[in-house]
Amino acid sequence: QVQLQESGPGLVKPSQTLSLTCTVSGGSISSGGYYWSWIRQHPGKGLEWIGYIYYSGSTYYNPSLKSRVTISVDTSKNQFSLKLSSVTAADTAVYYCASGPYSQFDYWGQGTLVTVSS
Amino acid sequence: QSALTQPRSVSGSPGQSVTISCTGTSSDVGGYNYVSWYQQHPGKAPKLMIYDVSKRPSGVPDRFSGSKSGNTASLTISGLQAEDEADYYCCSYAGSYTLYVFGTGTKVTVL
Repeated sequence: QVQLQESGPGLVKPSQTLSLTCTVSGGSISSGGYYWSWIRQHPGKGLEWIGYIYYSGSTYYNPSLKSRVTISVDTSKNQFSLKLSSVTAADTAVYYCASGPYSQFDYWGQGTLVTVSS
Repeated sequence: QSALTQPRSVSGSPGQSVTISCTGTSSDVGGYNYVSWYQQHPGKAPKLMIYDVSKRPSGVPDRFSGSKSGNTASLTISGLQAEDEADYYCCSYAGSYTLYVFGTGTKVTVL
């Protein structure tokens, strides 16, 4: 059973870069077949897909966030990471890492709340 | 790309059936058989309940079923139980530019 765990600062100042890491256990990112995504949920709101990375390093981002998002992978540590630059209060959300085949999200981390505030 | 439209809330008594709709366009729901549904209890991560419109992952009760007609997908919960009270989100593949779009979410209340 694949398990995912997000980690990173819970508070980020406006205009700075939000950085989160997702550690994968119970499965290997390198084994292929799964896409490793970041998804966020604004307080009391719905879900928004941010982007994914494949074990090969290929990425795809939500067009609405593309200019500010970078997702990277470290297969040696079985981790993948999210960087979101120039954050504002509108980026305050619970951030989830998730994985699955191309068309679905089978496994989810527990989520981590990131607040953007000075 | 706009979010898929779901009813804000639906409710039913234990043992009854409820159906949640998820309306999109021919560019997402209507264009692909890649609709998935997620259950989210308060303070918890979403859980996959249905994928590829109507397939159930191992461990999901067969009370949960999915279907699609045109640009609208549906999730039906039969034999409603107290533990089914949660928020439900649909998600559709939306083509090679947008990739994924989620629904607005529906709160299911068990009366």
